[in-house]
Amino acid sequence: KAGVTQTPRYLIKTRGQQVTLSCSPISGHRSVSWYQQTPGQGLQFLFEYFSETQRNKGNFPGRFSGRQFSNSRSEMNVSTLELGDSALYLCASSPDRYEQYFGPGTRLTVT
Amino acid sequence: GNSVTQMEGPVTLSEEAFLTINCTYTATGYPSLFWYVQYPGEGLQLLLKATKADDKGSNKGFEATYRKETTSFHLEKGSVQVSDSAVYFCTPMNTGFQKLVFGTGTRLLVSP
Repeated sequence: KAGVTQTPRYLIKTRGQQVTLSCSPISGHRSVSWYQQTPGQGLQFLFEYFSETQRNKGNFPGRFSGRQFSNSRSEMNVSTLELGDSALYLCASSPDRYEQYFGPGTRLTVT
Repeated sequence: GNSVTQMEGPVTLSEEAFLTINCTYTATGYPSLFWYVQYPGEGLQLLLKATKADDKGSNKGFEATYRKETTSFHLEKGSVQVSDSAVYFCTPMNTGFQKLVFGTGTRLLVSP
């Protein structure tokens, strides 16, 4: 089976812009979670989607949002980008909302 | 909620040395325990897991035993290779979705 794929792998944006990141889970996995990884804060949970519904949310401002489509693919959107949003954004999919499989990440740089 | 304490590192070893990375956790109930590894420039890969007390997870020469009495899940490898250089994350997870809680991770550097 193909693994979790994330696009794009690298992205450079300017403060104030918005960005959309995409994640395609492993075939058959219906749960998709998003994490932010920074050197200062480490790995932090953003949100989880299961069957097109957001089931869990971390402590991030409303500028961070997401959605999941009927084919389980998920997108994450960040509006009004700030310098502090520069990070590696990781997507993970799960067949059972338990064991999680991570993608390679999207590295976002905000200038 | 769940939490994890790991030695931050870096742990610096020579090739073929013995590796131990300590991990202790706090969690409600009886979580499963996971070790993930992150190679430079990549996402996290599931390395091994254990689902109940005294279980031993193993993969690629790495082992970890679920110690409920000490709430620990230390990672060991008998002989490390340069290619093992990475950041290692320990995390507990209960059944039913919960966000994975990661510690700082432990960076391992193996020199030839």
